[in-house]
Amino acid sequence: QVQLQESGPGLVKPSQTLSLTCSVSGGSISSGGYYWSWIRQHPGKGLEWIGNIHYSGSTYYNPTLKSRVTISADTSKNHYSLKLTSVTAADTAVYYCAREDQAYGMDVWGQGTTVTVSS
Amino acid sequence: QSVLTQPPSASGTPGQRVTISCSGSSSNIGINTVNWYQQVPGTAPKLLIYSNNQRPSGVPDRFSGSKSGTSASLAISGLQSEDEADYYCAAWDDSLNGLYVFGTGTKVTVL
Repeated sequence: QVQLQESGPGLVKPSQTLSLTCSVSGGSISSGGYYWSWIRQHPGKGLEWIGNIHYSGSTYYNPTLKSRVTISADTSKNHYSLKLTSVTAADTAVYYCAREDQAYGMDVWGQGTTVTVSS
Repeated sequence: QSVLTQPPSASGTPGQRVTISCSGSSSNIGINTVNWYQQVPGTAPKLLIYSNNQRPSGVPDRFSGSKSGTSASLAISGLQSEDEADYYCAAWDDSLNGLYVFGTGTKVTVL
């Protein structure tokens, strides 16, 4: 079955760019009509949708983060990525990647990766 | 930024029925389907209910969902100790050029 795995630096300095990758195994990101999403969870808080990329290449972002977020996909490596620029301590969170089917919801999740923004 | 409101906590003894509400608006629950996610502390969320009332394969039938107007509910019948977790409702919101919104979350405690 499809599995997702996040990877990237666990510590990012303020004002720098947070970069994470979600590696997909057991299926192709370029097939099936899925959306490939990023979600984050601040310490002790609820879930926040960051955005997603459709298998066609279309992207959709949370309006509150849109100016700082880029989600891209590399079909040759079967992974997709998140870049969040100009980070502050408020971006410290656990970041999850997830597969979304618009009819079935986010049915496959990665285990999550903790990113701390600190100098 | 949550626009879906849930009670912060709910509890019950083993075997009891617990219900969690999710209040939204005409731009989200009112026109889109609702999903529910279960998150055991320290782990990733898991899809529990999709399309208002459908259970993915492997989800016990003691979990059920419903929707009416701009609100939705999740019911857990025959509460078990392993049901102790955080529960989030979620839906697309059409008011801001597309935004997937999660509820504020409800911590379920099994007494």
